[in-house]
Formats: sequence, structure tokens, C-alpha cells
Amino acid sequence: KAGVTQTPRYLIKTRGQQVTLSCSPISGHRSVSWYQQTPGQGLQFLFEYFSETQRNKGNFPGRFSGRQFSNSRSEMNVSTLELGDSALYLCASSLGPHLNYGYTFGSGTRLTVV
Amino acid sequence: AQRVTQPEKLLSVFKGAPVELKCNYSYSGSPELFWYVQYSRQRLQLLLRHISRESIKGFTADLNKGETSFHLKKPFAQEEDSAMYYCALSGSGNTGKLIFGQGTTLQVKP
Repeated sequence: KAGVTQTPRYLIKTRGQQVTLSCSPISGHRSVSWYQQTPGQGLQFLFEYFSETQRNKGNFPGRFSGRQFSNSRSEMNVSTLELGDSALYLCASSLGPHLNYGYTFGSGTRLTVV
Repeated sequence: AQRVTQPEKLLSVFKGAPVELKCNYSYSGSPELFWYVQYSRQRLQLLLRHISRESIKGFTADLNKGETSFHLKKPFAQEEDSAMYYCALSGSGNTGKLIFGQGTTLQVKP
């Protein structure tokens, strides 16, 4: 079966712009989490969604937002981009809202802000 | 504060040598601990979790609550073990929020 699909794979944006990243979970998975990965800060949790509801939010400014649709696909949006937002954004999906189900990660979207 | 510390950025060993990747955590409740691995040009994937008490690819990890550690061990390293290893913690409620360490690159030399 298809894995977690993230689009686009690469993105270059200018400071001040906004960006939307997409994540399609494995078929049947209803939980989606997002992470930001940078060389300096490592992997940091952004949000978690289950059945279209945000269950957890990480310590990121309000410029970072997300949502989940009824088909479990998820999007994250970053407004007013800053140079420091350049990172690999990873999405992970799971059958249920608990880690016991196991999370499968996507390949990520590499965002470069210039 | 919830924190995961992996003190070594790089661990280099020879094939056949024992491996121990260190992980220490800070959490006031009862955490769930995990090890994730990322092989070159591959996705991040779950290696093992403490509640399963399993051995995957010869790796084991024991949760030591007294020392707040969850070190990953393998008695005989193989070249295919070369990868980036991340220790991660999930707090109470066992939600999808993971706190990751900074990662340790394991390099197994022939």
C-alpha cells in the first residue's frame, strides 16, 4: 500500500510569503502529526490531528497553522515566512491517536526561504 | 520540562564491536520511550519502543527509570547499522506528540 505522501517535495519561497504543505496519510490512517526538522533544533513537534480535531500543538508561533480534512488528509500553512522557517517538514500518520498504533513518516517537504 | 538528550553526535565503531547509543530523558511522569532510525536517503522509521520489550535487528533498549535512561544496545555492529538514530519520548496520554533527541550518527567501519 502507498505510504505517507507529502507534496511538494521541495519548495522555495521568499520572506513574507505564505506556504501550504500537504500530507496524505496511509489509507485508513486517521491520525496525522507534523514535525519540523532543522540542523540546529532537530526534530520539533508542530501539531497532531485526529478525526479533523487538533489534539496537540507544539511551541511554535501562530504563523504556523494546520488542519485535517474528512478524508484524513492534512495541510499545514506558514504565513509571513521568515528565513528561520527553512527546514524539512515531516508528516507522520497512524491508525489511531495513540503511539501504540505506530507512526509512519513521510519523506518530507524541504522548504527554503530566501 | 520534557527533554531528551543524546550526548553523542557521532559514534564510530568497527564491524563486530558492541554498540551503545546513549539516551537520557527528563520527564516528571511515566514516559513512553522510543528509538527511531533514519538510514541514508530513507524515511524516519520506528526501530523499537520500550513497552514492547522487543529486539529489532539485534538492537535492544531497556528503560531505566532510576537513571532516566533508555540506551540502545547491540552486541555486534554490522555495516548496515550505519544510520542516524533518534531517541524520542511521549508524555502521559500517549498522544502523537514525540519529543526527539538531537540524534546520534552511528558509523560502522569495515
